[in-house]
Amino acid sequence: AQSVTQPDIHITVSEGASLELRCNYSYGATPYLFWYVQSPGQGLQLLLKYFSGDTLVQGIKGFEAEFKRSQSSFNLRKPSVHWSDAAEYFCAVVLMEYGNKLVFGAGTILRVKS
Amino acid sequence: GAGVSQSPRYKVAKRGQDVALRCDPISGHVSLFWYQQALGQGPEFLTYFQNEAQLDKSGLPSDRFFAERPEGSVSTLKIQRTQQEDSAVYLCASSSAGWGGTDTQYFGPGTRLTVL
Repeated sequence: AQSVTQPDIHITVSEGASLELRCNYSYGATPYLFWYVQSPGQGLQLLLKYFSGDTLVQGIKGFEAEFKRSQSSFNLRKPSVHWSDAAEYFCAVVLMEYGNKLVFGAGTILRVKS
Repeated sequence: GAGVSQSPRYKVAKRGQDVALRCDPISGHVSLFWYQQALGQGPEFLTYFQNEAQLDKSGLPSDRFFAERPEGSVSTLKIQRTQQEDSAVYLCASSSAGWGGTDTQYFGPGTRLTVL
């Protein structure tokens, strides 16, 4: 079955420290890849997306993600975390053979300690 | 408006009641999606419209769930005879890409439905 895995349910980092959130997918073909962020009571906001081309993509708020085909991964990174980054992060894919719907991972809750 | 709006933001229903949730997509967006997000989980797809045509309803959990977009703009998700397991946040998203393409999906703030 198609799936998106975010192995870390919670992550806590200190303000100013680097961050990496993991995402793996299980599809035969390369899907379109997305990272969204959800703050409490807010809708989902797109951080970045990968469709093709350069495998290192830059997003908003200083985030970047790297697509690694050999590992079926699309990990999200930020070199220096700010307290305002505390939120829940979702990795999602679109696999066109199954329509243009997003398939989401379970999410990773990021806590930032000062 | 500039973004996707949803109403009401919060809805409390007694078990067995019918509810209607509204979504106003970004003007001009041909695609509209509904997702259900249970507590502690990622959103799950319910149904998809391209303009007024419902092209994918594979995610609707039962025949109690019904969605429409009669004029290709505003959409309504209706849940009949609500059950406690229907309690969730219902998210609406819209996109400028049609069927066969993909682009960013812009999400509304969601409607939190609580069934007592």
